Amino acid sequence: EPEVTQTPSHQVTQMGQEVILRCVPISNHLYFYWYRQILGQKVEFLVSFYNNEISEKSEIFDDQFSVERPDGSNFTLKIRSTKLEDSAMYFCASSRDRGREKLFFGSGTQLSVL
Amino acid sequence: QKEVEQNSGPLSVPEGAIASLNCTYSDRVSQSFFWYRQYSGKSPELIMSIYSNGDKEDGRFTAQLNKASQYVSLLIRDSQPSDSATYLCAVNSNSGYALNFGKGTSLLVTP
Repeated sequence: EPEVTQTPSHQVTQMGQEVILRCVPISNHLYFYWYRQILGQKVEFLVSFYNNEISEKSEIFDDQFSVERPDGSNFTLKIRSTKLEDSAMYFCASSRDRGREKLFFGSGTQLSVL
Repeated sequence: QKEVEQNSGPLSVPEGAIASLNCTYSDRVSQSFFWYRQYSGKSPELIMSIYSNGDKEDGRFTAQLNKASQYVSLLIRDSQPSDSATYLCAVNSNSGYALNFGKGTSLLVTP
């Protein structure tokens, strides 16, 4: 089965630093997402991306966050100035369509902000 | 705030028994409902999706939906120790882009 690939698997950074989390969605998928999961808490939607623009974002996705599809294969999440509370597992996902379509999740990037 | 509520558990069942997992949601106009399984430290994995009232069966899994009661459930028959995981209920937003997840129910299947 095709996979969503995320790098790195672990990222440690100092508070205030910028981080970029990278994802390679499944090649024929058109919809891309970022979710996060703080340890012991629920999986939370951050943002969806379709046709080279943000289609929906949550309240969590404030001005510190941005997403980009710099080329035909990569999808990135940038956090400009990390805070301690940004420490979480970040999951990238992709799907062929929205609504009823299955989301394929990557294995995640564990971000630790010190 | 659209809420998806689940009992956090843990739910403990003996091997071979039926495990019953429940979920309620607050957004009455939700149309798509999903059950994901998440092993510790891993990403969510889709088990079942359901869109219409009633039951939907797939192997040992049965999803049940009651839109009038805003209730979704998952039954796991002949539970196996490998089914031990956290089960996440997820509901699509109106736009269809976002999935709203519950906190999950931890299931432990004991040999």
